[in-house]
Amino acid sequence: SAVISQKPSRDICQRGTSLTIQCQVDSQVTMMFWYRQQPGQSLTLIATANQGSEATYESGFVIDKFPISRPNLTFSTLTVSNMSPEDSSIYLCSVETGREQFFGPGTRLTVL
Amino acid sequence: AQSVAQPEDQVNVAEGNPLTVKCTYSVSGNPYLFWYVQYPNRGLQFLLKYITGDNLVKGSYGFEAEFNKSQTSFHLKKPSALVSDSALYFCAVRDGNTGKLIFGQGTTLQVKP
Repeated sequence: SAVISQKPSRDICQRGTSLTIQCQVDSQVTMMFWYRQQPGQSLTLIATANQGSEATYESGFVIDKFPISRPNLTFSTLTVSNMSPEDSSIYLCSVETGREQFFGPGTRLTVL
Repeated sequence: AQSVAQPEDQVNVAEGNPLTVKCTYSVSGNPYLFWYVQYPNRGLQFLLKYITGDNLVKGSYGFEAEFNKSQTSFHLKKPSALVSDSALYFCAVRDGNTGKLIFGQGTTLQVKP
């Protein structure tokens, strides 16, 4: 298993600003994922972040809006850029070990 | 394309009664199937998985799931529901090539005393 922490746990931001979310894992993992859960919705994958390569974005998500860093095997960041109220969601990072995914507690973002 | 469907938005059960939360899937190749639970204001917690082996999989908190290949289903079950089981439940399938999870729409389980 893996223990994952995220910072911040929640934030309220103004339209047009950016927020960087941090994800820290207690062990080295190759595959990390970032998901978005909009209010009342299921989880949607934003991108896959593997250390040593550029993130792979899913359809509908672009690097300019959601830049991701993966500097080492235990850490990643997701930035939500130029935010609008539509970006209000829970953002979750996850890691895969042994074909099983573990999730962080999520970052609850509200954009005014 | 891989997909998962949870046909019920909400399931209501009386405490002590058995519960079933339904999930059907569509995959190419062997399915890797998962159930997760999300309590209010909390992240996702892993419940159980099916990769291979016995069709009946036992997981956390007394939950189990039955893999049925002919019906392409992976329903979550518990013999006796607790009020504390009330939460949002997600079924998911793992894409064998990319490792990403594809989630169902989620089912809210409401257990009433």
